[in-house]
Amino acid sequence: KQEVTQIPAALSVPEGENLVLNCSFTDSAIYNLQWFRQDPGKGLTSLLLIQSSQREQTSGRLNASLDKSSGRSTLYIAASQPGDSATYLCAVRQETGGFKTIFGAGTRLFVKA
Amino acid sequence: DTGVSQNPRHKITKRGQNVTFRCDPISEHNRLYWYRQTLGQGPEFLTYFQNEAQLEKSRLLSDRFSAERPKGSFSTLEIQRTEQGDSAMYLCASRTGTAGNTIYFGEGSWLTVV
Repeated sequence: KQEVTQIPAALSVPEGENLVLNCSFTDSAIYNLQWFRQDPGKGLTSLLLIQSSQREQTSGRLNASLDKSSGRSTLYIAASQPGDSATYLCAVRQETGGFKTIFGAGTRLFVKA
Repeated sequence: DTGVSQNPRHKITKRGQNVTFRCDPISEHNRLYWYRQTLGQGPEFLTYFQNEAQLEKSRLLSDRFSAERPKGSFSTLEIQRTEQGDSAMYLCASRTGTAGNTIYFGEGSWLTVV
């Protein structure tokens, strides 16, 4: 059974700091990995999608890496801003079972002005 | 393209009542998923449709839960005889048939059982 773990569970940083969020998964038979952002009481917004054959994806100040063989992904946020405060969720899409997406519990990020 | 739409956004109901949530996916998406999320946790998979066929159901989906997608477009999730433990946000998501494509989520439907 696939398990997705995110570390740390919560993180507080001053504005302008670069930071790394970590995600690990137990079953490397994934189709892709996706990072989402969730604001309190809201749905999920897709940030980056990395296919299993890719090593990284970049969008603006965000960079996500994937090491499928070791079951790890990182989300790097450069020059953090208060508007980045949210919960960041890592999710893997299984290769089997309807390609369903399995989520970690998320990292709650607070960027202080 | 207005994204994935869910209604109602919030529902407060008394224990024992039935509730129904509706999801309208992005129009060309034939895959539709329901997830449940409680505070401090990531979304948990409930069920999955490919067109109108319900292909998988989680063990989380007890007999009180039923989901349909009658014409392969919108979907409904009904909870019968609600319990306080059903209080959560119910999220709907959709994607195209290409496995590698992004999955898109709605804003969710909050359920509070009192």
